[in-house]
Amino acid sequence: QSVLTQPPSASGTPGQRVTISCSGSSSNIGTNTVNWYQQLPGTAPKLLIYSNNQRPSGVPDRFSGSKSGTSASLAISGLQSEDEADYYCATWDDSLNGFWVFGGGTKLTVL
Amino acid sequence: QVHLQESGPGLVKPSETLSLTCIVSSDSFSSYYWSWIRQPAGKGLEWIGRLYPSGSTNYNPSLKSRVTMSVDTSKNQFSLNLTSVSVADTAVYYCAREAVPGVDFWGQGTLVTVSS
Repeated sequence: QSVLTQPPSASGTPGQRVTISCSGSSSNIGTNTVNWYQQLPGTAPKLLIYSNNQRPSGVPDRFSGSKSGTSASLAISGLQSEDEADYYCATWDDSLNGFWVFGGGTKLTVL
Repeated sequence: QVHLQESGPGLVKPSETLSLTCIVSSDSFSSYYWSWIRQPAGKGLEWIGRLYPSGSTNYNPSLKSRVTMSVDTSKNQFSLNLTSVSVADTAVYYCAREAVPGVDFWGQGTLVTVSS
């Protein structure tokens, strides 16, 4: 059971816009910024979005992030076949001595 | 650019200790937190813990009683020890760099299987 809640799956057709949600609580998303990771099959995760809505160098602007209260979202516009991957949200949780928490992951299928 | 490489046994017996090392190619090893994260086959990511080269550590509360991390700054490497392993600890283990505000570079991962 992950601390952050994501839908297990999402799908869209090429060119469409899809969103993936990430729900947390006051001790994590409500207080700290959210990162998003993309994991292609058989590879290590890659940082996609940091600080809620910032893109590292090289990440297309088709990817965007937002946060409101204790929830965050990842949006992918102009969906492409190469976007088919698992997506994870992550944030710091301030409870106990503090620790990183991940969402359970969302498998995105491009139809 | 940063490069991280995990190394260690791919097979560990139940009740024994899992030990992994991560060698880091980075100019600023002492300026970042370094983490271990694992992923069981077909499942999500679980953060194990992190350390700062000065010695400060944070561990996942669910694993804290079994985890120890250490660092050798002279070799730009850090290590993970996980004691009393069971089949539930079978996973791909990643080492990673944590810059503000989160993990930004990952190693390729190493599969550790717990089996007798």
